[in-house]
Amino acid sequence: ETGVTQSPTHLIKTRGQQVTLRCSSQSGHNTVSWYQQALGQGPQFIFQYYREEENGRGNFPPRFSGLQFPNYSSELNVNALELDDSALYLCASSPTGNSYEQYFGPGTRLTVT
Amino acid sequence: GESVGLHLPTLSVQEGDNSIINCAYSNSASDYFIWYKQESGKGPQFIIDIRSNMDKRQGQRVTVLLNKTVKHLSLQIAATQPGDSAVYFCAENGGGSYIPTFGRGTSLIVHP
Repeated sequence: ETGVTQSPTHLIKTRGQQVTLRCSSQSGHNTVSWYQQALGQGPQFIFQYYREEENGRGNFPPRFSGLQFPNYSSELNVNALELDDSALYLCASSPTGNSYEQYFGPGTRLTVT
Repeated sequence: GESVGLHLPTLSVQEGDNSIINCAYSNSASDYFIWYKQESGKGPQFIIDIRSNMDKRQGQRVTVLLNKTVKHLSLQIAATQPGDSAVYFCAENGGGSYIPTFGRGTSLIVHP
């Protein structure tokens, strides 16, 4: 069984640029959630995708957007990057949209300069 | 608003000691709680969970205690090992939500 994978591992962007982060869910899982984890803080929920539809959203502005593909992999897109967007971005997959089980990937470290 | 928080940001113990990590929550509607372990360079890893109709749950070397009266959660790790060194987060799924709300985390340092 393949776990959750994310790419890239690290990324450096300039303020104002756009970024796309990718996540492959665990085999058999159809739900993907994205989190932002600032240094020294707990992960904060951005949004969740279930069967290619957004299934819940946290307190993040519209410049944070996402996609889920038919194979249940997912992308997180962030437009007009700000310095405060620097963080570890975590993806977690779940067996279904109404499951407490969340399996996290290793994350993508984004640095905005 | 409602929040989940931790009392101590850092806990330092000797190998073989028992460790206790505490967590306070304020959402009285929370009915499910989870402890996660996050090692450096990795995502959070599920350790143990407990539902609000229980006050204690045991796993392998870990025990979670829930005190709903004072809205307090604790994680006990028996015979702590260097491999237990990590940041530990409590999280709650309040009011029927399947999305965990994480607290800030406690860094556990185990000295050999």
